[in-house]
Amino acid sequence: QQQVKQSPQSLIVQKGGIPIINCAYENTAFDYFPWYQQFPGKGPALLIAIRPDVSEKKEGRFTISFNKSAKQFSLHIMDSQPGDSATYFCAAAIIQGGSEKLVFGKGTKLTVNP
Amino acid sequence: DTGVSQDPRHKITKRGQNVTFRCDPISEHNRLYWYRQTLGQGPEFLTYFQNEAQLEKSRLLSDRFSAERPKGSFSTLEIQRTEQGDSAMYLCASSLGGVGYTFGSGTRLTVV
Repeated sequence: QQQVKQSPQSLIVQKGGIPIINCAYENTAFDYFPWYQQFPGKGPALLIAIRPDVSEKKEGRFTISFNKSAKQFSLHIMDSQPGDSATYFCAAAIIQGGSEKLVFGKGTKLTVNP
Repeated sequence: DTGVSQDPRHKITKRGQNVTFRCDPISEHNRLYWYRQTLGQGPEFLTYFQNEAQLEKSRLLSDRFSAERPKGSFSTLEIQRTEQGDSAMYLCASSLGGVGYTFGSGTRLTVV
């Protein structure tokens, strides 16, 4: 059973565009939702994270929108650049329960064309 | 380099052989995690340590897999009697409490 569903699988935008990646979760006990960026041959790197008590969080060009009632969250990348081309993963965890296990989505391969 | 270090970066082994990977976390981090990532998938949790204690293990961690973190510093992940299905990227991460992990670059295992 896939606990975090991510879409789309791949995404191509032009430089300056605003790619949007969506995730949906099933377990309402999740209370921490991070996004990771992964370049080929590298491990994932934490980009931005949100807790369910806020609906939006912005850090630089990256914004998370969170809809608790719909059990969905999304990543928006403003003014995208070719250097943003990477695979992006959403994830979820139940940190209040004492577990530090992250459950990841399957990833979105983003290509930003010059 | 003060990041998470994994060794080796690549390992090719024959089916049935044993392999061992090493992870050196960021020095002040007391938590260490192992994940497995197959092609086109997100990382899957295997196990984690707080200092030297192994606190949680996934059902993915069959009896052929064992992880240790002696003295709460570096960690090793051993796979015995490797199978082709074990081919994957094995990722290590560390944190100073909580889920804001720093991942290493991983060890890519190919079982032939």
